[in-house]
Amino acid sequence: AQTVTQSQPEMSVQEAETVTLSCTYDTSESNYYLFWYKQPPSRQMILVIRQEAYKQQNATENRFSVNFQKAAKSFSLKISDSQLGDTAMYFCAFMKHEYRETSGSRLTFGEGTQLTVNP
Amino acid sequence: DTGVSQDPRHKITKRGQNVTFRCDPISEHNRLYWYRQTLGQGPEFLTYFQNEAQLEKSRLLSDRFSAERPKGSFSTLEIQRTEQGDSAMYLCASSLGRQSPQQYFGPGTRLTVT
Repeated sequence: AQTVTQSQPEMSVQEAETVTLSCTYDTSESNYYLFWYKQPPSRQMILVIRQEAYKQQNATENRFSVNFQKAAKSFSLKISDSQLGDTAMYFCAFMKHEYRETSGSRLTFGEGTQLTVNP
Repeated sequence: DTGVSQDPRHKITKRGQNVTFRCDPISEHNRLYWYRQTLGQGPEFLTYFQNEAQLEKSRLLSDRFSAERPKGSFSTLEIQRTEQGDSAMYLCASSLGRQSPQQYFGPGTRLTVT
């Protein structure tokens, strides 16, 4: 079974600054996907960024980038130029690679990190 | 808006009653998932469908829970004889499946059992 751990329950950052959210995971799989999702207050879960384990290059999406360390089983999210709209709960999630069409694709989530961006 | 939709958004029910939630996935997505999220926690997987076939169920899905996706489009999640411990946010997500595995979530149905 896979586990995902987010060791920072809460973080805060000043607007326009950079913040890094941590995530570690445990798996015996060699191929998998990692995701960061954002859940603003009372709003739905939004996909922020995705990383395939077989890719060495770290994924980036505008102000969001990841630091994927496969050997260390670490997957941190860096948010640059933080904006007030980035205030949300952030979840790290793991998904096994599907080798067959019906082999399963559940997401396993961490406990979340509540990020507050202060003006 | 062509995202995932869920109905109702909120449901208050008395213990022992049955409730049913509906999820409409993104139209071209053949995968549909149900998760449960309690306050301050990450979502936990309940079950998923590929088209109309229910391919996996979590141990969290007790006998009181049943899910269907009769024509491979919308899905329903029914909870019979609700208990206070069933109070949670029930999230639905959809995806294209193996070739494009990221899941897109709906707004959720918040269930309160009194």
